[in-house]
Amino acid sequence: GAGVSQSPRYKVAKRGQDVALRCDPISGHVSLFWYQQALGQGPEFLTYFQNEAQLDKSGLPSDRFFAERPEGSVSTLKIQRTQQEDSAVYLCASSLGGGGKTTQYFGPGTRLTVL
Amino acid sequence: SQELEQSPQSLIVQEGKNLTINCTSSKTLYGLYWYKQKYGEGLIFLMMLQKGGEEKSHEKITAKLDEKKQQRSLHITASQPSHAGIYLCGADAGGATNKLIFGTGTLLAVQP
Repeated sequence: GAGVSQSPRYKVAKRGQDVALRCDPISGHVSLFWYQQALGQGPEFLTYFQNEAQLDKSGLPSDRFFAERPEGSVSTLKIQRTQQEDSAVYLCASSLGGGGKTTQYFGPGTRLTVL
Repeated sequence: SQELEQSPQSLIVQEGKNLTINCTSSKTLYGLYWYKQKYGEGLIFLMMLQKGGEEKSHEKITAKLDEKKQQRSLHITASQPSHAGIYLCGADAGGATNKLIFGTGTLLAVQP
């Protein structure tokens, strides 16, 4: 596709529910990032994939958060037993290079609201 | 604590006026990435600088990077209503990941 796409765009979950957020990166992009953006804040890094390998998951806030990219393309961010503090916009970004300083292109985000 | 301090938090300018947004860091970060965000949308890439002392311009927007002083800036000349939005500065945390550290954003409104 022309850009990074994410689905769903909006998700409302009841506390305790599991959610899955999908990211389709730009075709051919090696690197894929997930960021979390709280209201009024800048995005904060969650995790990084180079192809199918998850090389950095230091930003995941708890073991309820899990991300995968099994075939090195589409990625899914899963949040188990959602809590109200998980409410945020989840942004996915992809870049052409692997580990180098290349531009990260962002998707529109998924706005998660946990009631 | 915020690793990348961005100021001002919000800015209202008259159309045609110039403005500057600044980002400073107390720790060593690398490069400079400017993004623009509209409410409910993702980040739109504006510019990337990789070298300390580098300056880059595109249309009426100029970005500057002083890596020694850990100062980063975005300057808009003769602002227009189309410049309105949230501007986010980012910098590379270092290491192999290329993960970005972002400022808290500057909300810019341009009055016609």
